[in-house]
Amino acid sequence: QQQVKQSPQSLIVQKGGISIINCAYENTAFDYFPWYQQFPGKGPALLIAIRPDVSEKKEGRFTISFNKSAKQFSLHIMDSQPGDSATYFCAARGILAKNDMRFGAGTRLTVKP
Amino acid sequence: DSGVTQTPKHLITATGQRVTLRCSPRSGDLSVYWYQQSLDQGLQFLIQYYNGEERAKGNILERFSAQQFPDLHSELNLSSLELGDSALYFCASSASLGEFGYTFGSGTRLTVV
Repeated sequence: QQQVKQSPQSLIVQKGGISIINCAYENTAFDYFPWYQQFPGKGPALLIAIRPDVSEKKEGRFTISFNKSAKQFSLHIMDSQPGDSATYFCAARGILAKNDMRFGAGTRLTVKP
Repeated sequence: DSGVTQTPKHLITATGQRVTLRCSPRSGDLSVYWYQQSLDQGLQFLIQYYNGEERAKGNILERFSAQQFPDLHSELNLSSLELGDSALYFCASSASLGEFGYTFGSGTRLTVV
């Protein structure tokens, strides 16, 4: 089964710093790359997403960078805040099977005040 | 509140038992997905239903089954429970097949003792 590999497993950043989470996928049969944010006791919530025909998408302090040739995409959180402390999941959706959403293992982000 | 309702929130049961987890999708959503999240693990896709019909199966054990009813709510049945089945079980919904992004519920935490 195709995998989406996510790193790091955990990340500690000082308030105001930049948080960077990376993901890589193993084939080219994906057409949509969302990121989900999960707070303790809650379900994952869609944060931001990108299509492979775009190299970057920015929404507020959150930016996705996409490198199609390298099959990699990353989430950058600028000016990280303690309220951003959560687990972040990257995902990739299959082109042929639109219901085939593969998730990364997650990154637990802690932003220290 | 995401609009996806899962009950119960917590469930503690003994090995060998059977439990039923319930999910009511967001109003208007026809597609329901079930995911399992074990401790420090990513989201593992179990099964998807669309308008009452099974559409996709992931890593779902034979001891597990699901269905979607005419009112679109879904139930995940877990039987002959083992300690290793202890996990968070999430339901997600989307309006149609392949819609960008899912809306997740808050999950059911199952503990098998």
